[in-house]
Amino acid sequence: DTGVSQNPRHKITKRGQNVTFRCDPISEHNRLYWYRQTLGQGPEFLTYFQNEAQLEKSRLLSDRFSAERPKGSFSTLEIQRTEQGDSAMYLCASSFDWGRVGNTGELFFGEGSRLTVL
Amino acid sequence: DQQVKQNSPSLSVQEGRISILNCDYTNSMFDYFLWYKKYPAEGPTFLISISSIKDKNEDGRFTVFLNKSAKHLSLHIVPSQPGDSAVYFCAASVVGRDDKIIFGKGTRLHILP
Repeated sequence: DTGVSQNPRHKITKRGQNVTFRCDPISEHNRLYWYRQTLGQGPEFLTYFQNEAQLEKSRLLSDRFSAERPKGSFSTLEIQRTEQGDSAMYLCASSFDWGRVGNTGELFFGEGSRLTVL
Repeated sequence: DQQVKQNSPSLSVQEGRISILNCDYTNSMFDYFLWYKKYPAEGPTFLISISSIKDKNEDGRFTVFLNKSAKHLSLHIVPSQPGDSAVYFCAASVVGRDDKIIFGKGTRLHILP
């Protein structure tokens, strides 16, 4: 396993278009997180899954955003009717859940998908 | 409302000297703290963590100190090396409650030759 993989790495789109990002986590991890990072800011939590269940969504996540993890493996993050303010780096991370003995709480991040909305 | 604060956007340190990165938090429920390092065009990578039941954790050149009464933690890197030049994020979580990890804005560390 080579780590967390995200596709596409870069996406340029026009305002109003829909975009979808995919994340393939480390296979044995049951937790999957989406974060968003803009210039000069730290990663902002968007949502996370334990297996296929979406356990929490941030207030930052408007109705235009939807995330799925249909079989508890890969996840998709879709943004509908994109706005210029959606331009950011979208980061995916995976981990074991806290109940696992010896878990340090470490999130393993992918390299991110950079979205530019024109 | 920013729960994890890194008030220094950047820090420059001479190679071989000690780098000290600071972090403050406001949520007294946080019980687990982490430091991540990020190079350009890469995702953040885990560096070191500390549970609230400890006040110090050491891993090689990296030591994290936690002062719960002051709601403050710091990362010490000694000796600093050129490869340490990166953005460092402080992060915190409430274990077993909501389990999301909240990040600060980061501090860019420059190691000078």
